[in-house]
Amino acid sequence: EADIYQTPRYLVIGTGKKITLECSQTMGHDKMYWYQQDPGMELHLIHYSYGVNSTEKGDLSSESTVSRIRTEHFPLTLESARPSHTSQYLCASSDPLISGLKTDTQYFGPGTRLTVL
Amino acid sequence: KNQVEQSPQSLIILEGKNCTLQCNYTVSPFSNLRWYKQDTGRGPVSLTIMTFSENTKSNGRYTATLDADTKQSSLHITASQLSDSASYICVVIDRGSTLGRLYFGRGTQLTVWP
Repeated sequence: EADIYQTPRYLVIGTGKKITLECSQTMGHDKMYWYQQDPGMELHLIHYSYGVNSTEKGDLSSESTVSRIRTEHFPLTLESARPSHTSQYLCASSDPLISGLKTDTQYFGPGTRLTVL
Repeated sequence: KNQVEQSPQSLIILEGKNCTLQCNYTVSPFSNLRWYKQDTGRGPVSLTIMTFSENTKSNGRYTATLDADTKQSSLHITASQLSDSASYICVVIDRGSTLGRLYFGRGTQLTVWP
């Protein structure tokens, strides 16, 4: 069982509200990720971090922002939620490279199901 | 274009039966391939990891195969149980980037009926 947590698990919110999705892990992993997943669709990487004070945008354009002030914490913020942001958001972290081979396994949190009305 | 295609999109089988899920990919250069199991409303959990030199790997009732020449992988589930009902996601990692870029398939939704 992976020690990675997300809160809230479910969130229903009105358009225009600012929200922060929390993600924390207790495994000491340097790399952390945020994915967006719609029903029946593949995961899309929206943000990632190599470590403290390191954040990068992923492949899918997102209006969200992230921060990495502590190793264990990687929150995602939407300044003004819109119905198009309705989706499931998955946080993940991964363990280090092994002998230079990219076999690091990503451990996923349970996800946050966001609905914007 | 790097892609991961899975088939079938969905599958229904009776408890105790076997099934095989397919994954075809075009990701290059290839580093490794993983199968994840995602229960409804949960995050994916890794089942197997296969590198270029591995052809078969088992994890309990799950057996994954990899043919790096044809860029195909399969996940075979033996003696299915009700708890196997989930989405099974094929993920391919390339070795051409520092991050180890992950390419996700859309998953096969497996339903096991009693």
